[in-house]
Amino acid sequence: AQSVSQHNHHVILSEAASLELGCNYSYGGTVNLFWYVQYPGQHLQLLLKYFSGDPLVKGIKGFEAEFIKSKFSFNLRKPSVQWSDTAEYFCAVISVGGATNKLIFGTGTLLAVQP
Amino acid sequence: DAGVTQSPTHLIKTRGQQVTLRCSPISGHKSVSWYQQVLGQGPQFIFQYYEKEERGRGNFPDRFSARQFPNYSSELNVNALLLGDSALYLCASSREMNTEAFFGQGTRLTVV
Repeated sequence: AQSVSQHNHHVILSEAASLELGCNYSYGGTVNLFWYVQYPGQHLQLLLKYFSGDPLVKGIKGFEAEFIKSKFSFNLRKPSVQWSDTAEYFCAVISVGGATNKLIFGTGTLLAVQP
Repeated sequence: DAGVTQSPTHLIKTRGQQVTLRCSPISGHKSVSWYQQVLGQGPQFIFQYYEKEERGRGNFPDRFSARQFPNYSSELNVNALLLGDSALYLCASSREMNTEAFFGQGTRLTVV
């Protein structure tokens, strides 16, 4: 069965620190990859997506992610975090060509940025 | 443009009751999906509808059902509510299959 693993459940950083959140998926076929963010009290928002092409994708608010097919990974990075980045981050996968486009989510990483 | 809208935002029901949750997708989006999110976990897929046809069903009991209307809005129904059905229910809409999904604020269901 397809699954998504997020290795860091809770991350605490100081402002200006660099961020990397790990995401690995298990699926042998073609996938579309996503990072969603949920700020406190808000709905899930799309941070960035990978469908094809350049494996380094840039999203909103200075976030980027790199798709490494050989490692089944799609890690999220940001060079310098801000207090406003405090949120929960979810990695998600869709298998392309399937009968549905159901998103398989990881368990999420709660990021707390200290001022 | 309005985003995905869900109603109601909060709901309290008693065990054994039935509940209907509603979702209006973004204009032009043909696909609606439903997810259940419990505390500490990522959203779990319940249903997907595309062009008014069911395209997928997650690992949920038959007490859960859904439908999509000609205007692409959708309803999620849960019968014989259990305490364990307490969760945030999310609706997501997509323009087509395999495109990015946009989520609503969710309906917080509490079963007592």
